[in-house]
Amino acid sequence: AQSVSQHNHHVILSEAASLELGCNYSYGGTVNLFWYVQYPGQHLQLLLKYFSGDPLVKGIKGFEAEFIKSKFSFNLRKPSVQWSDTAEYFCAVNPSGGYQKVTFGTGTKLQVIP
Amino acid sequence: DAGVIQSPRHEVTEMGQEVTLRCKPISGHDYLFWYRQTMMRGLELLIYFNNNVPIDDSGMPEDRFSAKMPNASFSTLKIQPSEPRDSAVYFCASTLNRVRYGYTFGSGTRLTVV
Repeated sequence: AQSVSQHNHHVILSEAASLELGCNYSYGGTVNLFWYVQYPGQHLQLLLKYFSGDPLVKGIKGFEAEFIKSKFSFNLRKPSVQWSDTAEYFCAVNPSGGYQKVTFGTGTKLQVIP
Repeated sequence: DAGVIQSPRHEVTEMGQEVTLRCKPISGHDYLFWYRQTMMRGLELLIYFNNNVPIDDSGMPEDRFSAKMPNASFSTLKIQPSEPRDSAVYFCASTLNRVRYGYTFGSGTRLTVV
């Protein structure tokens, strides 16, 4: 079975700082990868996804993620964070082809200080 | 599109009472998922359906939990009898037959069992 690790549980940044949240997965085959964001008191929303092609994926609100197959990683980045980016971020993975179950990481809480 | 609709948004009930959570997936989506989110355990998949048929209920914590999907536009998650440790936010999500599109989550039901 696949698993997802998000090593940073809580990140605090000042506005305009650059962001990188780590995500590593374990699965031997081809995968689909996702980042979701959950703003305080709200539901999870899809931020970006990767399933094939260019390993650098651009999502909404200036976020991007890079799939590095050799490192089993899918790190989320943003060059300059805003206070409104304060939220919890979840990485998720599922094997490509047929089986639908998605495994979520434990999440990283991002706090952006004005 | 109204998105995934869950009701109620908040539920406070006494221990031992029956609780029913409801979900209306996005029209045309053929996969429906029930998740539970707590501070301690994060996001847990309870059960998921494909074309109204339960596929994997291995995440259902115990026999007190049951889920049904009588038709493509409605699902319920029932807890009977409820216990304080069931207090959590319960999310419903749906997706098309290719999970690469990502899940669309509902706004969740915050359940408090006192």
